[in-house]
Amino acid sequence: EPEVTQTPSHQVTQMGQEVILRCVPISNHLYFYWYRQILGQKVEFLVSFYNNEISEKSEIFDDQFSVERPDGSNFTLKIRSTKLEDSAMYFCASSDPLAKSSYNEQFFGPGTRLTVL
Amino acid sequence: SQQGEEDPQALSIQEGENATMNCSYKTSINNLQWYRQNSGRGLVHLILIRSNEREKHSGRLRVTLDTSKKSSSLLITASRAADTASYFCATGASGSRLTFGEGTQLTVNP
Repeated sequence: EPEVTQTPSHQVTQMGQEVILRCVPISNHLYFYWYRQILGQKVEFLVSFYNNEISEKSEIFDDQFSVERPDGSNFTLKIRSTKLEDSAMYFCASSDPLAKSSYNEQFFGPGTRLTVL
Repeated sequence: SQQGEEDPQALSIQEGENATMNCSYKTSINNLQWYRQNSGRGLVHLILIRSNEREKHSGRLRVTLDTSKKSSSLLITASRAADTASYFCATGASGSRLTFGEGTQLTVNP
């Protein structure tokens, strides 16, 4: 069964450093998303991406964040200058709203745990 | 904003018992989804119920939706230790963000 994959599974970085989190969405999906979950808290939406541009973003997704689809398969989240409060689990998801049965069923990757020291 | 709120926050039961979790939301929806998250792991999609559906089954899962009360319930029958996880409801339009609730932490004791 096709699945969303994410790399790395765990990233440790120093405050102020740039990190890039990588995701490979399901191949025929059209919408891509990033969410994050701070330890012990609920999952929060960051950004959605469709047709090579951001379609929606939350107030969390400030100028420190950017997303890119550098090729036909990868979808990346870049944090330019990490802060301690960026420590969280970051989830990538994809969906195919055009699929008859999907109705916005989003498929999530296993997550990348980001630890900022 | 559409926001799911689950109750109870935590539920502990014995294997074989049924577990019921509830979710309430604030605005109109066109569908509601339930996800499971094992500790420190990713989110697994369990079931989606559309706004024009009242009940849906998938294996040992039964989901109900009451749009007049803006609430949904997830019932897991004949629970197993492997069902121990956090369960979240989420709402969102097609191609749009999902808004997750706080989740219910279910513990099934062997």
